[in-house]
Amino acid sequence: EPEVTQTPSHQVTQMGQEVILRCVPISNHLYFYWYRQILGQKVEFLVSFYNNEISEKSEIFDDQFSVERPDGSNFTLKIRSTKLEDSAMYFCATRMDRAATNEKLFFGSGTQLSVL
Amino acid sequence: GNSVTQMEGPVTLSEEAFLTINCTYTATGYPSLFWYVQYPGEGLQLLLKATKADDKGSNKGFEATYRKETTSFHLEKGSVQVSDSAVYFCALNIGYGQNFVFGPGTRLSVLP
Repeated sequence: EPEVTQTPSHQVTQMGQEVILRCVPISNHLYFYWYRQILGQKVEFLVSFYNNEISEKSEIFDDQFSVERPDGSNFTLKIRSTKLEDSAMYFCATRMDRAATNEKLFFGSGTQLSVL
Repeated sequence: GNSVTQMEGPVTLSEEAFLTINCTYTATGYPSLFWYVQYPGEGLQLLLKATKADDKGSNKGFEATYRKETTSFHLEKGSVQVSDSAVYFCALNIGYGQNFVFGPGTRLSVLP
């Protein structure tokens, strides 16, 4: 089965620093998502991205967050000035067809972000 | 708004026991329903799905039936194995570019 690849698997950073999390979507997928999961808590939606622009974002996705697909392959999540509460597992997910309700999401294995 | 509620965990069972994890949803339209599983140290993987009322999704011995009248999608397995130990997430998707809404997850531990 095709895979979504995320790097790095673990990222440790100091509070206030910028981090960039990277995702390589499945090649023919068009719709991209970032989710996060704080340890022991639910999976939370951050943002969705289609046709090189944000389609939807949650209230978590404030001005400190941004996404882009700079080279047509990597899909990145940037946190400009990390806070302690940003510590979480960040998952990239992709799907092929945005219009199909039954089209499943393919998830990457996640990046564990630890803000010290 | 759209939301998913799951039974609180953790759930601890002996091998070969019967499993039920309850899931109910609230949705503004006609969602597709999903169960995702997260094994330790891994991302979420689709376990099964159902796209309309009375559909039954099944995979690896797990089943769930889309019950519109009770807005439920309970996950069942007749005989669990140690390898089924994981966190299980119920989710819905209302479609047309909308994001998936996940429940809080239910941790299952199966003891030999």
